[in-house]
Amino acid sequence: AAGVIQSPRHLIKEKRETATLKCYPIPRHDTVYWYQQGPGQDPQFLISFYEKMQSDKGSIPDRFSAQQFSDYHSELNMSSLELGDSALYFCASSLGVGSYNEQFFGPGTRLTVL
Amino acid sequence: TQLLEQSPQFLSIQEGENLTVYCNSSSVFSSLQWYRQEPGEGPVLLVTVVTGGEVKKLKRLTFQFGDARKDSSLHITAAQPGDTGLYLCAAKSGGSYIPTFGRGTSLIVHP
Repeated sequence: AAGVIQSPRHLIKEKRETATLKCYPIPRHDTVYWYQQGPGQDPQFLISFYEKMQSDKGSIPDRFSAQQFSDYHSELNMSSLELGDSALYFCASSLGVGSYNEQFFGPGTRLTVL
Repeated sequence: TQLLEQSPQFLSIQEGENLTVYCNSSSVFSSLQWYRQEPGEGPVLLVTVVTGGEVKKLKRLTFQFGDARKDSSLHITAAQPGDTGLYLCAAKSGGSYIPTFGRGTSLIVHP
């Protein structure tokens, strides 16, 4: 079965540079979630989109923005990168939103800011 | 303050042993998921429980949701090295569609 696809898998950037992470949800899934996971930490929710509209917002810095496109893929844009932004970034997708909808995670993008 | 408390934080056992990990909270949840995550990889969904007292089995893994829907446990029978990983619980409460994650239990099963 097709899973969530994220690209790139690894990304190395310098401080103050920008980065764009891409997420392709499971086919027919219309909801995308972005998470940040630091070393030894649990995933922290950043932002989510349902049917191309922002549905929830978590602890996403103002330097970050995201959107969901007509084909339901999503991109997380990160500007003015800081050392503390180094982390694993996960995208998850689900069919619809709701208390019982299950999220399926992608393999993640490991971002390293030097 | 962590909404979901997982215990133990670390667990190192020998192949063939049984183990139980816990996920506890003072909040009532509408649904709870268990994930397994390997280093550098995304969490893989193992199970979702929604009904108080519900028990689900996945081969050697048994998941239970507390009667009051505030806690859950994961029991592994005859652990194998392939069970090694970080076990995360995630739960939704109130009207939120975004799950809160616990810090996880890091399990190592030695051959």
